[in-house]
Amino acid sequence: AQSVTQPDIHITVSEGASLELRCNYSYGATPYLFWYVQSPGQGLQLLLKYFSGDTLVQGIKGFEAEFKRSQSSFNLRKPSVHWSDAAEYFCAVGDGGNNRKLIWGLGTSLAVNP
Amino acid sequence: NAGVTQTPKFQVLKTGQSMTLQCAQDMNHNSMYWYRQDPGMGLRLIYYSASEGTTDKGEVPNGYNVSRLNKREFSLRLESAAPSQTSVYFCASSGQLYNSPLHFGNGTRLTVT
Repeated sequence: AQSVTQPDIHITVSEGASLELRCNYSYGATPYLFWYVQSPGQGLQLLLKYFSGDTLVQGIKGFEAEFKRSQSSFNLRKPSVHWSDAAEYFCAVGDGGNNRKLIWGLGTSLAVNP
Repeated sequence: NAGVTQTPKFQVLKTGQSMTLQCAQDMNHNSMYWYRQDPGMGLRLIYYSASEGTTDKGEVPNGYNVSRLNKREFSLRLESAAPSQTSVYFCASSGQLYNSPLHFGNGTRLTVT
């Protein structure tokens, strides 16, 4: 079955520390992968996406993600976290055609200690 | 630069009451979506509209109806609200091109008592 797993429900990091949020997927076709961020009381916003080519993709707000086909993973990273990065992060996978078929992870809640 | 606008932001209903959630986008997008977000359940697609005049069921359509009024507006109606419909509802839109990202509104927090 197709699925997206975000193993960490909640993560706490100190401001200035590095961050890695995990995303593992199970998908039968070539995956198109996304990371979205949801700030408190807001809708989701696209951070970055991977379709093909360079497996290391850059996104907004200093985030990057690396696609590893052999590990079925698409982990999100940031070298130095800011307090404003506290939010919910969602990984999603699709077939690149129709957003209605997006499969969503359950999210990882990030807290940032000052 | 409004993007996707949802109204209302908050709503409390009694069981059996009806209401319509409104959504409008100003990005000239063809596709629009309604999701619900529940703790531990993630985002689930309720209904989808590929273009003006068309709508399709998503993962959890029971208890809801939608109307794609025009290219800008996509409304979600609860005819007889139930406590199980207590949730945060998000409207989103996307362009027609493959791989177009979703643009979300800020959500409507609905409580049914």
